[in-house]
Amino acid sequence: ETGVTQTPRHLVMGMTNKKSLKCEQHLGHNAMYWYKQSAKKPLELMFVYNFKEQTENNSVPSRFSPECPNSSHLFLHLHTLQPEDSALYLCASSQALTSGNTIYFGEGSWLTVV
Amino acid sequence: AQKVTQAQTEISVVEKEDVTLDCVYETRDTTYYLFWYKQPPSGELVFLIRRNSFDEQNEISGRYSWNFQKSTSSFNFTITASQVVDSAVYFCALSPPSGTYKYIFGTGTRLKVLA
Repeated sequence: ETGVTQTPRHLVMGMTNKKSLKCEQHLGHNAMYWYKQSAKKPLELMFVYNFKEQTENNSVPSRFSPECPNSSHLFLHLHTLQPEDSALYLCASSQALTSGNTIYFGEGSWLTVV
Repeated sequence: AQKVTQAQTEISVVEKEDVTLDCVYETRDTTYYLFWYKQPPSGELVFLIRRNSFDEQNEISGRYSWNFQKSTSSFNFTITASQVVDSAVYFCALSPPSGTYKYIFGTGTRLKVLA
């Protein structure tokens, strides 16, 4: 059983839709992340939260809106997306933000924007 | 500049062959961490190993082994007697002292193990 769970695993949405990705970590970690993985591109860090506070927004367009109600849950709210936003969105967590902490990933949410 | 290079984009081997995945990194830091992750077709990145820059001992875990050489800035991963279930994309990553969110990932090596 994975320590980081993501739902839904697959999502197809139109460009005018609003949807959300959900992530929950069961590892007791304090930091959570959203990454984007597009075909033939490196992993891109999108957002970082530490103790529910956002510490990093890696120049992500405002059509992606994160929410972290507590250290165990992380959401990514999606609205008016573009087809180029189609990708695998990975949630992850780590005990802390200090160097050397291992980042544990969820299974990802495959997003297709039509 | 900090960088991780995985020059092998895709490797195909026949089951039971040994295979080595290369990882070369660049950093000016003296303290850093290196990682390997496995990403099967399902999507999840599975953590395999973490190594700090002061520990150059090679590591073996079952059929997996890692060779860390600071002199050549390499952290190579060998799978012995490969199996079809080893088919995945493997990522090498560097964590600099500035924090985990500064992880630098390589572009990954796709390994195909043929039956």
